[in-house]
Amino acid sequence: NAGVTQTPKFQVLKTGQSMTLQCAQDMNHNSMYWYRQDPGMGLRLIYYSASEGTTDKGEVPNGYNVSRLNKREFSLRLESAAPSQTSVYFCASTMRSFNSPLHFGNGTRLTVT
Amino acid sequence: KQEVTQIPAALSVPEGENLVLNCSFTDSAIYNLQWFRQDPGKGLTSLLLIQSSQREQTSGRLNASLDKSSGRSTLYIAASQPGDSATYLCAVRRGSYNTDKLIFGTGTRLQVFP
Repeated sequence: NAGVTQTPKFQVLKTGQSMTLQCAQDMNHNSMYWYRQDPGMGLRLIYYSASEGTTDKGEVPNGYNVSRLNKREFSLRLESAAPSQTSVYFCASTMRSFNSPLHFGNGTRLTVT
Repeated sequence: KQEVTQIPAALSVPEGENLVLNCSFTDSAIYNLQWFRQDPGKGLTSLLLIQSSQREQTSGRLNASLDKSSGRSTLYIAASQPGDSATYLCAVRRGSYNTDKLIFGTGTRLQVFP
């Protein structure tokens, strides 16, 4: 079982460049999330999608956009990358049930120079 | 605003010890609490999920407890092994049906040495 798959695994961008982080899950989950993880800050929610066709802002949405392409896929776009967006990005998914565990991908390590 | 704190930030123990990791949260209105394990360079793996109506959950050598009224959870690891070395994070889930979110603690980095 693939679970949650993120691409790419690593990326280096220059300030001002744009890119899209891809995420796909094969567990028929309804809800999908994008987190960023920074040293000393823990995981912070960027955007989430409770179901196909809906997206909502999390704690730190500025500088990001998302698309819930279908039930399986949830992408995160950086329109104009900034050094402050250097981080490890994780995608996660879960059933739309309050007592279902969250499943994570292996992350994308992004460096913006 | 919900805040989740984990103490200690780091822990180093010899193999075979029983140990306890702590997680505290400021708002008791939660649906559940999850414990995760994260290995270096990897994503998070769910270990245990305790529903708000439950007091504890067990999986193998792991036991997690929840005391909503005091805003505390503990993860007990019995007979620790070097393979248990990882960062352990707790997260509380709260919100309405359409806006549920997980709030994470910053984790406890555990090292078990032979």
